[in-house]
Amino acid sequence: NAGVTQTPKFQVLKTGQSMTLQCAQDMNHEYMSWYRQDPGMGLRLIHYSVGAGITDQGEVPNGYNVSRSTTEDFPLRLLSAAPSQTSVYFCASSRTSGGPGETQYFGPGTRLLVL
Amino acid sequence: AQSVAQPEDQVNVAEGNPLTVKCTYSVSGNPYLFWYVQYPNRGLQFLLKYITGDNLVKGSYGFEAEFNKSQTSFHLKKPSALVSDSALYFCAVRGEWVLRAYNTDKLIFGTGTRLQVFP
Repeated sequence: NAGVTQTPKFQVLKTGQSMTLQCAQDMNHEYMSWYRQDPGMGLRLIHYSVGAGITDQGEVPNGYNVSRSTTEDFPLRLLSAAPSQTSVYFCASSRTSGGPGETQYFGPGTRLLVL
Repeated sequence: AQSVAQPEDQVNVAEGNPLTVKCTYSVSGNPYLFWYVQYPNRGLQFLLKYITGDNLVKGSYGFEAEFNKSQTSFHLKKPSALVSDSALYFCAVRGEWVLRAYNTDKLIFGTGTRLQVFP
């Protein structure tokens, strides 16, 4: 299994541009989520999905859209990039969304710089 | 409010010495606690978790963590540090996240502790 994969690894955008961060997992996990990592702030939840066709907002959703058309893929879209969205983005998945014992597995991250 | 605190931004230790990376938490209900490690330019890797049972949890790469309910702590430990253990360590607690449509949960992360092991 490849686990959780993310592309691209690094991206530079200009303010106002749009782009899609790709995330895929091959573990047949129901639950997928996107976090952003900023210095001194740990990781914060952007959006999550509990299954194909089911998504909802996390704690910092503004400026981002998601969709989940298949179990495997969970892309994150930046509609109009802003410098405040400069960050490292991590995709994560777990077998289900419930249950305290579920471990979330993370992708390698996408480093985004918005100029 | 549910939260995780990692009081040390950086921990320095000599190779071969024991290491401790501190974590305290605040949750309502039972705590479900995790440690992740992030190597440079890599994603987060799961190290270990505490759900219930024995207060000493053993994980990957020789790491272990001690759950202390009275002190609300979940410190990460290793008896003998390696230079290759140098990385960023995150403590996380599973918190309830009740939203409009779906009851689910999320990981609440600490701000991370950078571990530097010197030869």
